[in-house]
Amino acid sequence: AQSVTQPDIHITVSEGASLELRCNYSYGATPYLFWYVQSPGQGLQLLLKYFSGDTLVQGIKGFEAEFKRSQSSFNLRKPSVHWSDAAEYFCAVVAGTASKLTFGTGTRLQVTL
Amino acid sequence: GAVVSQHPSWVICKSGTSVKIECRSLDFQATTMFWYRQFPKQSLMLMATSNEGSKATYEQGVEKDKFLINHASLTLSTLTVTSAHPEDSSFYICSAIWASGRGRGAKNIQYFGAGTRLSVL
Repeated sequence: AQSVTQPDIHITVSEGASLELRCNYSYGATPYLFWYVQSPGQGLQLLLKYFSGDTLVQGIKGFEAEFKRSQSSFNLRKPSVHWSDAAEYFCAVVAGTASKLTFGTGTRLQVTL
Repeated sequence: GAVVSQHPSWVICKSGTSVKIECRSLDFQATTMFWYRQFPKQSLMLMATSNEGSKATYEQGVEKDKFLINHASLTLSTLTVTSAHPEDSSFYICSAIWASGRGRGAKNIQYFGAGTRLSVL
């Protein structure tokens, strides 16, 4: 069965600093990979997705992620964090045709001014 | 992106009553929707898969008689928490599948509602 690991439970960065959130997956074939963001008390918003092709994908709000098959990783990056980026970030994988998402445990991002 | 509307956003009810939560895909048709439950500071737990025109598929450990799911149209799925008790208090989130393509080549994306906070007194 597929699984997703987000090693960092909580990350704090200063506004304007760069950000990298880690995500590792376990799946035998090429998975479909997603990053979602959740603000407190809200649903999940899709930041970006990877299905195939270019391994560097661009998303909304200035985020990007790179799929590295050799490392089974799909890390999320942003060159300069804004205070409004403070939220919970979830990495997710879809394996097979059932379209079910398997989520990581999430990374809570705190941004200091 | 596609828009999913979830209503109500917050509901308080007395123990023993039933509560219905609606999930609508506003600008696309969704043959498949999902219902999740989220506990504080935790990830999402999939409760069930809602398929238009057929019975929902429940995940192991989820009481189907407690959480009734109806997917009567291509744009609406409902979750009814029956005879709610305080332990049912939680954040419930739905999602709808936006399908790009068909069959094995389909690239399905889940779009989420804003969630419903249920408090059972």
